[in-house]
Amino acid sequence: DGGITQSPKYLFRKEGQNVTLSCEQNLNHDAMYWYRQDPGQGLRLIYYSQIVNDFQKGDIAEGYSVSREKKESFPLTVTSAQKNPTAFYLCASKGREADTQYFGPGTRLTVL
Amino acid sequence: RKEVEQDPGPFNVPEGATVAFNCTYSNSASQSFFWYRQDCRKEPKLLMSVYSSGNEDGRFTAQLNRASQYISLLIRDSKLSDSATYLCVVRNSGNTPLVFGKGTRLSVIA
Repeated sequence: DGGITQSPKYLFRKEGQNVTLSCEQNLNHDAMYWYRQDPGQGLRLIYYSQIVNDFQKGDIAEGYSVSREKKESFPLTVTSAQKNPTAFYLCASKGREADTQYFGPGTRLTVL
Repeated sequence: RKEVEQDPGPFNVPEGATVAFNCTYSNSASQSFFWYRQDCRKEPKLLMSVYSSGNEDGRFTAQLNRASQYISLLIRDSKLSDSATYLCVVRNSGNTPLVFGKGTRLSVIA
């Protein structure tokens, strides 16, 4: 089945620890995106990548890092510098000719 | 001014009602427009694209007014299964990321 997978679905970490969220797609999409959603809030863009080995900061990149070494993978690291990391993290991808983005199921991160 | 603004909601409506969501966007150069639906604790999913001529998909009708920078979504004959948050979404140019409104929550009550 083609799609976007994110793992794990739920993640718990202690304050001060870095954590990496996985995002994989087998849709052959060029562009990939990371968003954060807080309760009652809209989606805010963290980072995006339009091509392998290239990525750009979104609106709230501070405290996060990404890599794009392979077309199908776009992992997000939440570092200890991120002041309020507890949130719902959504990965999305888009094909070159398409107009819309498709989302993975999300990872719910809780920092204790 | 926020880039995409929506009715705050929530909207609580009885089954069978018609409900309308409104949205405004600030960038007059925006090129593409969408409505996404998000169920509780799930990812957003594309409901429909919005075209200048207006478009309909079953009970759902979307309209775009570029002059007023206004997008709407009309749901007729509401079903319990329509209960969700509806997100107004805009793309400013070809490859830029989508910009999301905060969403309007709809609860359809039996």
